[in-house]
This record gives sequence, structure tokens and C-alpha cells, in this order.
Amino acid sequence: GENVEQHPSTLSVQEGDSAVIKCTYSDSASNYFPWYKQELGKGPQLIIDIRSNVGEKKDQRIAVTLNKTAKHFSLHITETQPEDSAVYFCAALETGANNLFFGTGTRLTVIP
Amino acid sequence: DVKVTQSSRYLVKRTGEKVFLECVQDMDHENMFWYRQDPGLGLRLIYFSYDVKMKEKGDIPEGYSVSREKKERFSLILESASTNQTSMYLCASSLWGGEGNTEAFFGQGTRLTVV
Repeated sequence: GENVEQHPSTLSVQEGDSAVIKCTYSDSASNYFPWYKQELGKGPQLIIDIRSNVGEKKDQRIAVTLNKTAKHFSLHITETQPEDSAVYFCAALETGANNLFFGTGTRLTVIP
Repeated sequence: DVKVTQSSRYLVKRTGEKVFLECVQDMDHENMFWYRQDPGLGLRLIYFSYDVKMKEKGDIPEGYSVSREKKERFSLILESASTNQTSMYLCASSLWGGEGNTEAFFGQGTRLTVV
């Protein structure tokens, strides 16, 4: 089955700096890669996703890049704000399958 | 707005008790999932269901069972609760795993403590 590894497990940045979280996956058949944000006391919520036919996707201050050859994808947050503080999870899915495989999570702290 | 509702936010149960965690979704999703969240281990899949009365084991099914009698409801059952089942439990739902929208929607979680 799929194995998703995520690094780092914790990340602290100054407000206004950038944050980068990296994930690798093992199954070359995976072709959908979402990122979820979990705020304190809440369930994870999708913030951005990318499919294997695209190398990069951007949504305001958030971007995701995908390297299918190397089997890794990354989340980039620019101009970080205190409200970006949360736990972030990457995941991978094969089209036609039903269940996501999640990374172990990154706790991001943005210091004002 | 998709809503996934878990019946309890916090639950305290005794060792050996049979525990039911309930989850309801209102978007007619085919897939429903139960995850367990522990620090440093991320989200681990316990069971999932892709249709009424259908279930598939996830990565850590031991000590758990599930029930899906209606499309909107997915129950997680701890047959005989043990202290190592103390954890945060998350329910999720999604459309079928086709080319379309595969976003998973999560409930707010149930923090279960077994004493």
C-alpha cells in the first residue's frame, strides 16, 4: 500500500516569513495530493490539492508543487500570519480508490 | 455546506465497556471513514465504507468494528474498550474515488478517554 512521509514534524517561523512542508509518497499510481489544515479543536479541512497532470498550483499565499519523478510534493505558505498556526497534513490517493493515505502531520507555529 | 457530525466531543469510558461512536453526514456521500489521531502518528485509518452495509478494514482495525445500516450514518464500535484506545477519533466522508471531487470532509472529532 501507499506510504506517505512528512517533514518536519514541527516548524516555527516569524510572522511574514515563508513556511515549507515536504512530503514523499511510495506508490507511483497515486495521482491526487491534497493538503489539510487542522486548527485547534477542529477536524482537518482541505486547503489546497494538486493532481498529477499539474506541477504547481497556487491559491493566494498558499502553493503546492509536485515532482512525480521524485515522488514528492510540498506546501509553501508565504507571508505567514498567526492564523496560519495549525497542524498540516499531506495525503495521497490513487484515482478510483476511496481512501486517502495521510502523512504524520506538521505543527506550524507562526510567532507574531 | 457539507456537514459531518460526530455525536460526542468528549467521552470517558471504563475498561471493558462497549463503546459506540456515531457519525452522520448530510451530503449523500458514498464513502465514510473512521480515523484515529495520535501525536506523532498522524491520521490512521481504522475502517471505511463505500456503500451501505459494506465495510473495509483500514490500517488498524484490531479491537474495532463498524456498522453502516444507512447511507448517512457510520458507527464505530469498540467491542471492549482498553486504555490503549484512548485517542482522538475522526469521522470523514467523501464522494466516490473517481475523477471528480475527492475531497474528504471531517467531523470535529471525539476525544475518547478509557480509564
